[in-house]
Amino acid sequence: GENVEQHPSTLSVQEGDSAVIKCTYSDSASNYFPWYKQELGKRPQLIIDIRSNVGEKKDQRIAVTLNKTAKHFSLHITETQPEDSAVYFCAASPNDMRFGAGTRLTVKP
Amino acid sequence: GAVVSQHPSWVICKSGTSVKIECRSLDFQATTMFWYRQFPKQSLMLMATSNEGSKATYEQGVEKDKFLINHASLTLSTLTVTSAHPEDSSFYICSAVGGSLLWGSTDTQYFGPGTRLTVL
Repeated sequence: GENVEQHPSTLSVQEGDSAVIKCTYSDSASNYFPWYKQELGKRPQLIIDIRSNVGEKKDQRIAVTLNKTAKHFSLHITETQPEDSAVYFCAASPNDMRFGAGTRLTVKP
Repeated sequence: GAVVSQHPSWVICKSGTSVKIECRSLDFQATTMFWYRQFPKQSLMLMATSNEGSKATYEQGVEKDKFLINHASLTLSTLTVTSAHPEDSSFYICSAVGGSLLWGSTDTQYFGPGTRLTVL
């Protein structure tokens, strides 16, 4: 089955800096890669996703890149703000969604 | 956007009792719903995949007789934790998709708000 690894587990940046979170997956059949933001005690919220026929996708300050050959994908957040502080999960899906362990991002004002 | 509700949002029960959690897609028909559990500071762990009108598919290590899943309609799936014990205390989250997974296609999962279960 699919196995997703996510790094780093914690990330602290200064407001305005960029943050990058990386994930690797094992199942070459995975074709859908969403990223979720989860605030404490709340549901995961989809922030961006990418499908396997695309190498990069951008939405304002958030971008995701996908390298199918290397089986890794990354989340890039630019101009970080304190409200970006949360836990971010990557996921990969051939069918059922498998989540990474999560990255706790702290943006210091 | 797609809205998924979950009820109750939190529940406290005594050990040995059963608890039912409902997951509803409010503005779309969900052919497939997923049930996850999440321990504090950990990732979401898939428990089972529920397709409308058929038996749920459970992940390895998840007891199907303990976690009963029913997906009776395109908008409702229920998870019943039977004979709950303190180790079942967790955050249970459902998600729903509106597309078909039959051919490996995947649509966006929309998550419910979660149910915090505490078993005393």
